[in-house]
Amino acid sequence: KNEVEQSPQNLTAQEGEFITINCSYSVGISALHWLQQHPGGGIVSLFMLSSGKKKHGRLIATINIQEKHSSLHITASHPRDSAVYICAVPQSSNNDMRFGAGTRLTVKP
Amino acid sequence: DGGITQSPKYLFRKEGQNVTLSCEQNLNHDAMYWYRQDPGQGLRLIYYSQIVNDFQKGDIAEGYSVSREKKESFPLTVTSAQKNPTAFYLCASSKQGSAGNTIYFGEGSWLTVV
Repeated sequence: KNEVEQSPQNLTAQEGEFITINCSYSVGISALHWLQQHPGGGIVSLFMLSSGKKKHGRLIATINIQEKHSSLHITASHPRDSAVYICAVPQSSNNDMRFGAGTRLTVKP
Repeated sequence: DGGITQSPKYLFRKEGQNVTLSCEQNLNHDAMYWYRQDPGQGLRLIYYSQIVNDFQKGDIAEGYSVSREKKESFPLTVTSAQKNPTAFYLCASSKQGSAGNTIYFGEGSWLTVV
C-alpha cells in the first residue's frame, strides 16, 4: 500500500462542475501540500495546510488529521484548471516528502 | 523575479555518458531537492541538501551524484551507472525543511537515453 493514495486517478468534468480530489495518507505529518502540475511539467504549490480549511479563489483544501485525509475542491471548474493535482506529505524523520501519484483532471468546455 | 531555473529542458544522453542537469534558485532557500518522475508514479527523491556543502541520499540515489558548493546551485549528474535514466527530473527548494515550508519547483528537465 502506498503511503499517499489519491483518488480518482483520472477525472473528466464539464466546465462549471464542482470537483473533488481526495488524498489519504499513512505517514505522520506536520503539513500536507497540494500541488498542481501543468502539461509542460512545471509544478506550483497550491496549498500547505496542517488543520482545517484553506481557500484561494475557486480552490478549497480541507484536512482531517485524525482520519489522515485531505480533499481539494474546485468550484465552477474551467478548462484552464486542467492539470495533474498532486498531494504530498512530509516525513517527520527527515525533509523527504511522499507524493501521491497524482489526479489528472480534464475540464471540457 | 525569484524562482528556480532548471536547464536544459530537454536532454538526450547516449549509452555510457554522464550528463549534468542544472538547478539554480534565487530565493535564498537553504534546502534543495532533486526528484524523479516516471509515468503513473509519484515523485521520488534522489538527493536533498539542507545546507551548503552537505547533501543526503534519497530513496533512489544509485547512479546519481550531486554537489552543493553554493547556496543557490544544486546540479545533478546522471551517471552511466544509472541503468534506466529516461525520466522527468524536477528540482525544488524550500526555506528550510519541507515539513512546514512551502516548496517551490523548477520547470523540470526531460532526459531521454538514445
